[in-house]
Amino acid sequence: EADIYQTPRYLVIGTGKKITLECSQTMGHDKMYWYQQDPGMELHLIHYSYGVNSTEKGDLSSESTVSRIRTEHFPLTLESARPSHTSQYLCASTLAASTDTQYFGPGTRLTVL
Amino acid sequence: GNSVTQMEGPVTLSEEAFLTINCTYTATGYPSLFWYVQYPGEGLQLLLKATKADDKGSNKGFEATYRKETTSFHLEKGSVQVSDSAVYFCALKSSGNTGKLIFGQGTTLQVKP
Repeated sequence: EADIYQTPRYLVIGTGKKITLECSQTMGHDKMYWYQQDPGMELHLIHYSYGVNSTEKGDLSSESTVSRIRTEHFPLTLESARPSHTSQYLCASTLAASTDTQYFGPGTRLTVL
Repeated sequence: GNSVTQMEGPVTLSEEAFLTINCTYTATGYPSLFWYVQYPGEGLQLLLKATKADDKGSNKGFEATYRKETTSFHLEKGSVQVSDSAVYFCALKSSGNTGKLIFGQGTTLQVKP
């Protein structure tokens, strides 16, 4: 079983608030990812990291930002939440090799009112 | 660019019926292929994977064979159960260094008793 954790699992917040979604893994994985999953179920990569102090934008443009100060921790921040940010956010991690499995956290379901 | 196309859902079957969910891909190089499953309210779990042509991935009665000649990775199960009701995602990981997954749009499976 994968050891990757996300908090909170559910968040309902008002427009304009700053929020941080937490993601941690205890597997020592170098690569970590954030996906946004829309109501139609499609998953879109919004951020990824190769390791400490490495962050890259994903395939889908996002107003969120990420940081990677420690290997095990990859938080995502929205400075000013809007209703258009309502979605499910999934964090994942993998070892370095291209054939390695990507392990997913349970997700954070964000609702912005 | 790389892409994955899955058959559209929802797929509704009776218990013990045969399941096929079609998946085709477009990719340069030699991608690894994956099937992930998402149960309601949860993150994604790896169901099976194949890393080279003609490999067969299998798990929990599910199977998929990496067919390079038809660029396909169809998911099959001989006898579905109600507990198999979930959303199934086909994905590819390119042979490059990023480790990014490209997902299909997901197929919802509902199994009725």
